[in-house]
Amino acid sequence: EAQVTQNPRYLITVTGKKLTVTCSQNMNHEYMSWYRQDPGLGLRQIYYSMNVEVTDKGDVPEGYKVSRKEKRNFPLILESPSPNQTSLYFCASSSLGEGEKLFFGSGTQLSVL
Amino acid sequence: GQSLEQPSEVTAVEGAIVQINCTYQTSGFYGLSWYQQHDGGAPTFLSYNALDGLEETGRFSSFLSRSDSYGYLLLQELQMKDSASYFCAFLPLVFGKGTRLSVIA
Repeated sequence: EAQVTQNPRYLITVTGKKLTVTCSQNMNHEYMSWYRQDPGLGLRQIYYSMNVEVTDKGDVPEGYKVSRKEKRNFPLILESPSPNQTSLYFCASSSLGEGEKLFFGSGTQLSVL
Repeated sequence: GQSLEQPSEVTAVEGAIVQINCTYQTSGFYGLSWYQQHDGGAPTFLSYNALDGLEETGRFSSFLSRSDSYGYLLLQELQMKDSASYFCAFLPLVFGKGTRLSVIA
């Protein structure tokens, strides 16, 4: 089954404790992206990647890191989480030829205490 | 910059037709997409307009007018399961804040 897999689904952590949210897709998509969703603010892009070893900042990259060492994986790293990073996070992917059709993971609800 | 405006909430009756509007500002235009998101779920792709006109996919249609910087999503024969949030978007970067559709009996 074609899918984008995110883990974990829920995560509670404390300020300053490094964490990684994993994202993997099995559709051989070139493009992958991370979004955060906050009430009243909609979906905002954090980082994106057009292909292996190519990443770029989105709208709200501060406090986040990503890497794209393999085509299928695009982890999101919070090196020193803060409470304002409490949010619902989505990973998404698409083929470059159909960039308008994003496939989303099921989301990660992160709470930073 | 780029921005999209859509109503925050819409309520409609089961079996009826509802239109969700989206107006936008952008310097470069590559098409307008629509996504559906149920509470607790992930956004899922509904429709895409690269050119002016109407795109139909079953009960859902999407319309675009580039000269008016305007588009809409039309949902026909509304069902209770259509209660969800709907987002217009310039992908991959910018999403509208979403319209919460409530379908009532």
